[in-house]
Amino acid sequence: DAKTTQPPSMDCAEGRAANLPCNHSTISGNEYVYWYRQIHSQGPQYIIHGLKNNETNEMASLIITEDRKSSTLILPHATLRDTAVYYCIVRGPNNAGNMLTFGGGTRLMVKP
Amino acid sequence: EPEVTQTPSHQVTQMGQEVILRCVPISNHLYFYWYRQILGQKVEFLVSFYNNEISEKSEIFDDQFSVERPDGSNFTLKIRSTKLEDSAMYFCASTRIAGGSTEAFFGQGTRLTVV
Repeated sequence: DAKTTQPPSMDCAEGRAANLPCNHSTISGNEYVYWYRQIHSQGPQYIIHGLKNNETNEMASLIITEDRKSSTLILPHATLRDTAVYYCIVRGPNNAGNMLTFGGGTRLMVKP
Repeated sequence: EPEVTQTPSHQVTQMGQEVILRCVPISNHLYFYWYRQILGQKVEFLVSFYNNEISEKSEIFDDQFSVERPDGSNFTLKIRSTKLEDSAMYFCASTRIAGGSTEAFFGQGTRLTVV
């Protein structure tokens, strides 16, 4: 699976959009980009994933660049409860154990 | 909404003792996993399990660890002789299928403290 790079921390004002970047310049054509978050040592929570197209669900939007070398997770109206560590993970179908490899993630602090 | 449940939420054990951490994955899921997170560190993969056998394991998952699906619902992680360095949060996860496009659902974890 390709490696990802994320800023270690970010701040966002409550009610504003939080834009979390991720670089994955070595991503392969069949690898998906996943986003999970972890709120204060709870179990990681799935947010969204995508392959090539931009994706949106009730939690967030995922914007993947045309060359697929980077992506941005967008929380459109961040709340205090969105304060968490956000992980960008690349995973492909050839991952034998189907596991997720977590990096350090981005610690998002949403401030009032 | 279906969820992965783990018991107990907190386990304290003496060094050298055996512990069993329990998980009930989502009912129609076929792939099961254990991860751990030492305080302040990254979430680390331990083992994946499918069709009643281990499909992949990390170097952390040595002979002291074992997994089992004793019945149709539970998935357990056993540590035979606990060490101080086994103190961590242990997370169980499950997925419906394998492959690139499938989300994993995680339990809330068991905090294991070895004293």
